[in-house]
Amino acid sequence: DGGITQSPKYLFRKEGQNVTLSCEQNLNHDAMYWYRQDPGQGLRLIYYSQIVNDFQKGDIAEGYSVSREKKESFPLTVTSAQKNPTAFYLCASSPLTGQGYGYTFGSGTRLTVV
Amino acid sequence: DQQVKQNSPSLSVQEGRISILNCDYTNSMFDYFLWYKKYPAEGPTFLISISSIKDKNEDGRFTVFLNKSAKHLSLHIVPSQPGDSAVYFCAANSGTSYGKLTFGQGTILTVHP
Repeated sequence: DGGITQSPKYLFRKEGQNVTLSCEQNLNHDAMYWYRQDPGQGLRLIYYSQIVNDFQKGDIAEGYSVSREKKESFPLTVTSAQKNPTAFYLCASSPLTGQGYGYTFGSGTRLTVV
Repeated sequence: DQQVKQNSPSLSVQEGRISILNCDYTNSMFDYFLWYKKYPAEGPTFLISISSIKDKNEDGRFTVFLNKSAKHLSLHIVPSQPGDSAVYFCAANSGTSYGKLTFGQGTILTVHP
């Protein structure tokens, strides 16, 4: 079955540590996205990538970094510069051409700073 | 600047009745709109969509209405079922956004048996 796999499901980070969230898709989608969900604030775009080795900042990119070395993979690193990293992180992918498809989402990673 | 707004944080309805979830947008370049449903600790799943060339799209119990002049869309669920209880997100994109969606804040729907 095609889909998006996010891992781990739960992640705990100490203050000052960098952590990396994994996102893999086998849908052959060109575009991939990272969103953050906080209570009452909906989904906010962190980074997105439309092609391998290229990515763009979203609305809240500060304190985050990404890479896109393979079409299937789009890992997100939450750095120590992110002041409030506790949130639910969602990865998504979509075809690049056309607009009628929307996103396919992963099941999310819950990150907690301890 | 919140380009897609869902002004009702929550909605409570009785099983069998109609649920109406509302969404407003400000960007006149948006020409495609989607609704997603999300359960706790899961990723959102696609529910229904509508192109700006239409004013209504129906899929089973779910109907989306688009009023372009008012920049407003709504999702109707008839009849509502307890399994519909979830967070509903409205999203929009334009032909120039290359697939990038802008989401609303979400509305928590609770359907009581």
